[in-house]
Amino acid sequence: KNQVEQSPQSLIILEGKNCTLQCNYTVSPFSNLRWYKQDTGRGPVSLTIMTFSENTKSNGRYTATLDADTKQSSLHITASQLSDSASYICVVSRNKAAGNKLTFGGGTRVLVKP
Amino acid sequence: GAVVSQHPSRVICKSGTSVKIECRSLDFQATTMFWYRQFPKQSLMLMATSNEGSKATYEQGVEKDKFLINHASLTLSTLTVTSAHPEDSSFYICSAGRGQVVYNEQFFGPGTRLTVL
Repeated sequence: KNQVEQSPQSLIILEGKNCTLQCNYTVSPFSNLRWYKQDTGRGPVSLTIMTFSENTKSNGRYTATLDADTKQSSLHITASQLSDSASYICVVSRNKAAGNKLTFGGGTRVLVKP
Repeated sequence: GAVVSQHPSRVICKSGTSVKIECRSLDFQATTMFWYRQFPKQSLMLMATSNEGSKATYEQGVEKDKFLINHASLTLSTLTVTSAHPEDSSFYICSAGRGQVVYNEQFFGPGTRLTVL
């Protein structure tokens, strides 16, 4: 079954601290893995996209890693800011033959406190 | 680039009425558009995939006669919730697909909050 599981479900961190979010998946056939940030009441915004051959990608203070062998990914937030408070969603895409369908994780709700 | 808009951003309607939500790709042509529904504290759930000029493909459990999708042009798709009921209250999000060499990118709209009284 194609699934994406994220942990933790939620976390609270102090402003300026770092945190790491986890994503495990069983989606096949794999095309790419994406991390999105979703503010409350808004649509998801792409942070990173990684294909099978990429094992790390950064976007500012966000760094994503991918281990395609173990089917795990992580998103590291460095020096968190209050504006980082949001849900972070891990999404895995199947390939074109499978209709490019996306499988969404349940998200990790991050709250950054001053 | 790659901006997707939705209109309206928020709508409140009475039970039994129909509501139309528009999804537009503003600066690119989207051969495929997707409609999602998101309930509070849950992740997005795909409702249907629409391809320009053809009928939408609905996910299992989604009533095609209740959620009418029209993708009349490469920049516009509409979702009409017919005979809305309170249980249809949700956050509806569209995305537009832009085919790339390596992978198909999806760009999400800002969402439409539907409340059915």
